Amino acid sequence: NAGVTQTPKFQVLKTGQSMTLQCAQDMNHNSMYWYRQDPGMGLRLIYYSASEGTTDKGEVPNGYNVSRLNKREFSLRLESAAPSQTSVYFCASKGDGRFVYNEQFFGPGTRLTVL
Amino acid sequence: QKEVEQNSGPLSVPEGAIASLNCTYSDRGSQSFFWYRQYSGKSPELIMSIYSNGDKEDGRFTAQLNKASQYVSLLIRDSQPSDSATYLCAVTTTGSYQLTFGKGTKLSVIP
Repeated sequence: NAGVTQTPKFQVLKTGQSMTLQCAQDMNHNSMYWYRQDPGMGLRLIYYSASEGTTDKGEVPNGYNVSRLNKREFSLRLESAAPSQTSVYFCASKGDGRFVYNEQFFGPGTRLTVL
Repeated sequence: QKEVEQNSGPLSVPEGAIASLNCTYSDRGSQSFFWYRQYSGKSPELIMSIYSNGDKEDGRFTAQLNKASQYVSLLIRDSQPSDSATYLCAVTTTGSYQLTFGKGTKLSVIP
């Protein structure tokens, strides 16, 4: 049982390049999330998917797109990377529906540097 | 705008002492409260959750919730150097899919 997995672990891009960050979970969770974490800014939600087939913007969605490929997988795409997108990206998942008691579980993160 | 406030620290405590981490939140509708521990270079790890006023104990950890004061805390008894990490407070409301995180308090346990 791997929990939440992310690929790649590290990535260096040049300004203007594109890439997709992959996330998968094996806990049969409905909800999945993408966060970025920057020094002094805390964790900020980029996009989330409450269930397969739905996606919604979070606090900082500009410059990103997402795809909920199936119940297990949720990808984050940077179409034209900018230095301001240098960050650590975390994927997370949460159990069913809107129940109060379901916590979010995080993947190991992707460290992205945009030159 | 929902806000979760934490003292950024660093909070330094000697080994064996009690570490007290505090968090306040702005949304009175908040129903669920979580503490995550994050070691440097690692992902957040859930260590405690609390949903009702009062105390909840799990080993050396005690979470305390006071909804009237909009205040949640985490006590770590018999602090160990391995407890040195950043502790994140997170809050959500019933019916919401989203967590609101504080910026975290850095704890340093001195041997």
